[in-house]
Amino acid sequence: DGGITQSPKYLFRKEGQNVTLSCEQNLNHDAMYWYRQDPGQGLRLIYYSQIVNDFQKGDIAEGYSVSREKKESFPLTVTSAQKNPTAFYLCASSINHNGGKGSYNEQFFGPGTRLTVL
Amino acid sequence: DAKTTQPNSMESNEEEPVHLPCNHSTISGTDYIHWYRQLPSQGPEYVIHGLTSNVNNRMASLAIAEDRKSSTLILHRATLRDAAVYYCILSSNFGNEKLTFGTGTRLTIIP
Repeated sequence: DGGITQSPKYLFRKEGQNVTLSCEQNLNHDAMYWYRQDPGQGLRLIYYSQIVNDFQKGDIAEGYSVSREKKESFPLTVTSAQKNPTAFYLCASSINHNGGKGSYNEQFFGPGTRLTVL
Repeated sequence: DAKTTQPNSMESNEEEPVHLPCNHSTISGTDYIHWYRQLPSQGPEYVIHGLTSNVNNRMASLAIAEDRKSSTLILHRATLRDAAVYYCILSSNFGNEKLTFGTGTRLTIIP
């Protein structure tokens, strides 16, 4: 089955520790994304990557880092510089469709990782 | 980025149609209209998208106003499993662009 996997589902860390969240996709998608969601809020974009070995900051990149060494993988590191890291983290990948009047982006999401920093 | 405006919440009775509105008065001529939904404790999932014409798929219908400044997601017969947050999003027609998710509409289905 093709899809996006995120692990672990729940993660607990002590304050001041870096933590890396895993995101893997076997959909052969070029673009991948990381979002953060706080309770009752929408999704906010942290980082995105449109191609291997390249990535761009999203709206809330401070305190986070990413790498994109392989097409299938886009790990997110939450560093100790992130002031309020407790949140639900969602990874997505996207495929570009040719709609006849231009292209559009359909994103596929993983199940998410709920990070709690104690 | 062009913005969208949605009601914070809506309620509907089970097995009745639901019309979820979205205003996007600053939409450009090349923007697609996307709808995603997020079930509790899950990642969002794609529902439907459109450009100018109304669209139907197995999940829902999308009605787009003639001036494209608003659209309506229609669930023809709501079930309890349709209870979710529904996001209306615009994207350009240039392909792998980032999507901007607002706070969406929280839909509650009443049994």
